Amino acid sequence: RKEVEQDPGPFNVPEGATVAFNCTYSNSASQSFFWYRQDCRKEPKLLMSVYSSGNEDGRFTAQLNRASQYISLLIRDSKLSDSATYLCVVNKGSSYKLIFGSGTRLLVRP
Amino acid sequence: EAEVAQSPRYKITEKSQAVAFWCDPISGHATLYWYRQILGQGPELLVQFQDESVVDDSQLPKDRFSAERLKGVDSTLKIQPAELGDSAMYLCASSSPADSRGKYQETQYFGPGTRLLVL
Repeated sequence: RKEVEQDPGPFNVPEGATVAFNCTYSNSASQSFFWYRQDCRKEPKLLMSVYSSGNEDGRFTAQLNRASQYISLLIRDSKLSDSATYLCVVNKGSSYKLIFGSGTRLLVRP
Repeated sequence: EAEVAQSPRYKITEKSQAVAFWCDPISGHATLYWYRQILGQGPELLVQFQDESVVDDSQLPKDRFSAERLKGVDSTLKIQPAELGDSAMYLCASSSPADSRGKYQETQYFGPGTRLLVL
């Protein structure tokens, strides 16, 4: 079993749609959770950290469910510019080492 | 805004040749990481430095890969000899416990990467 698992997609949605991605992780000792965004042929960039209480940043909402060991990312009112691969990232146990999922690809069409 | 610099951006080489990649982290960042990202997968950590010391190189194929950060600033990753399976994007990232931008210390900032193609 992979340490961090994501649905590879692609999710193909129209502009203005709401889309949600889930990610599961295997190590119950993990404490830090992130979503990174990666555009085609570019480097990953931090989108948002994920807190136990959930957090929101504009159109983006992240949730953490420790009991089920999954993380979600909700994007409301999708824009064409949201088209990218979204990487779920979890620290490995009690270390600072980050484990990246393989990413979920999002395509937003006009 | 300060960025992580990497060079070259692209490298084409033949198998059995030696290649080297360079990374200059954000000024003041003590922790430097080298990742390898194969197409369709997420980045995988190869080596982590804290200043000039290796903290984690458990996933570095040490028979052909080497990394150094002699003065605790910039770093070089070398592959010798290169193999076809080494074709990938090599990403460098840095982070600092005292990140003045107010983000959590685990936040890693990535450079643009070096795309390697081994023929």
